[in-house]
Amino acid sequence: GAVVSQHPSRVICKSGTSVKIECRSLDFQATTMFWYRQFPKKSLMLMATSNEGSKATYEQGVEKDKFLINHASLTLSTLTVTSAHPEDSSFYICSALAVLAGGPEDEQYFGPGTRLTVT
Amino acid sequence: QKEVEQNSGPLSVPEGAIASLNCTYSDRGSQSFFWYRQYSGKSPELIMFIYSNGDKEDGRFTAQLNKASQYVSLLIRDSQPSDSATYLCAVGAGGYNKLIFGAGTRLAVHP
Repeated sequence: GAVVSQHPSRVICKSGTSVKIECRSLDFQATTMFWYRQFPKKSLMLMATSNEGSKATYEQGVEKDKFLINHASLTLSTLTVTSAHPEDSSFYICSALAVLAGGPEDEQYFGPGTRLTVT
Repeated sequence: QKEVEQNSGPLSVPEGAIASLNCTYSDRGSQSFFWYRQYSGKSPELIMFIYSNGDKEDGRFTAQLNKASQYVSLLIRDSQPSDSATYLCAVGAGGYNKLIFGAGTRLAVHP
């Protein structure tokens, strides 16, 4: 199946700093990628939809100025957590959409996730 | 607010038994439904998807969909200890193939 990578897998940063997380589709092109966050024992919460060459679409309640998304190529999307605070500590997961027929059959392939800890 | 509801569990079944996982959703217009498995600390992996009412079988897994009741389930036959994980139900939520996830059901298969 298709492979999606994320980097870094784990990051610890100090409060007030910014952290960039990369999501790459390794063997397919993805015009659409998604960013999720997951708190312990909770479900994945969709943060935003990242579209190559255009602005990301953020879900209600997600601060676009805090979570900057850039989808500069068909294989790379980045999420930058700006001015991180301890409450931003979470598991961030990206997925890339592999378009088969342009319908619901299109499958999202998930990256391995990035565990962010803000101290 | 579109919602996907799952019993958090844990659901404990003996090895070799059938595990039955259930999910309900609030958006009557939903057309696509997915089951993912997630091991602790890992990202979700797709088990199967279903779009039409009825049953869909793939190996030991059977997904069942009832759109009138807004209900989707996953049956795992001959459960193995390696099936122990959290099972996430996800529902397609419109454009760009967005998915809304349930909170997941933790399954524990004991020898």
